[in-house]
Amino acid sequence: RKEVEQDPGPFNVPEGATVAFNCTYSNSASQSFFWYRQDCRKEPKLLMSVYSSGNEDGRFTAQLNRASQYISLLIRDSKLSDSATYLCGGFLNTGFQKLVFGTGTRLLVSP
Amino acid sequence: DAMVIQNPRYQVTQFGKPVTLSCSQTLNHNVMYWYQQKSSQAPKLLFHYYDKDFNNEADTPDNFQSRRPNTSFCFLDIRSPGLGDAAMYLCATSRDLADTQYFGPGTRLTVL
Repeated sequence: RKEVEQDPGPFNVPEGATVAFNCTYSNSASQSFFWYRQDCRKEPKLLMSVYSSGNEDGRFTAQLNRASQYISLLIRDSKLSDSATYLCGGFLNTGFQKLVFGTGTRLLVSP
Repeated sequence: DAMVIQNPRYQVTQFGKPVTLSCSQTLNHNVMYWYQQKSSQAPKLLFHYYDKDFNNEADTPDNFQSRRPNTSFCFLDIRSPGLGDAAMYLCATSRDLADTQYFGPGTRLTVL
């Protein structure tokens, strides 16, 4: 089992839709998680950190479910500009706190 | 204002010809990382420096080396690039271990 797993998608949604992605992790000792956005052929850019209580930033909400070992990203009122790949990453407690990424979920928002 | 800078943005090299990729940062972060990312794959950590301490991932090939001459700069040396080394190489920094990582724009390496 991969340490961090994501549905690769693509998720095709119309503008204005609400879409949610999940990311599962295998190490129950993982402490903190992140969502990054990556545009085609560009670098990952931090979207949100995800801590125990979850957090919200405008149209974006991230949640952590420790019991089921997954994090989620909810995007409300999708914009065309939200089209990108969304990477989740988590720190694994393996001596060195290594950030391990999933392969990303691709989102396509259409007019 | 660019905080993590990578040069060049695109690099073409020949099979077996050594190549060096450069990363610099203005954040004064202690930790610098090199990742390799291939198409539709997750970024894969190659190694990192905590200050001057080098930490290699167990599965990073010997073909990949790194240098960090000072806090601001870190280099990735690929001694004998193979076709399988064609990828995007991402540099990232963090203030400390287990802190948020910030990525540079990447260098896309093509091996002919």
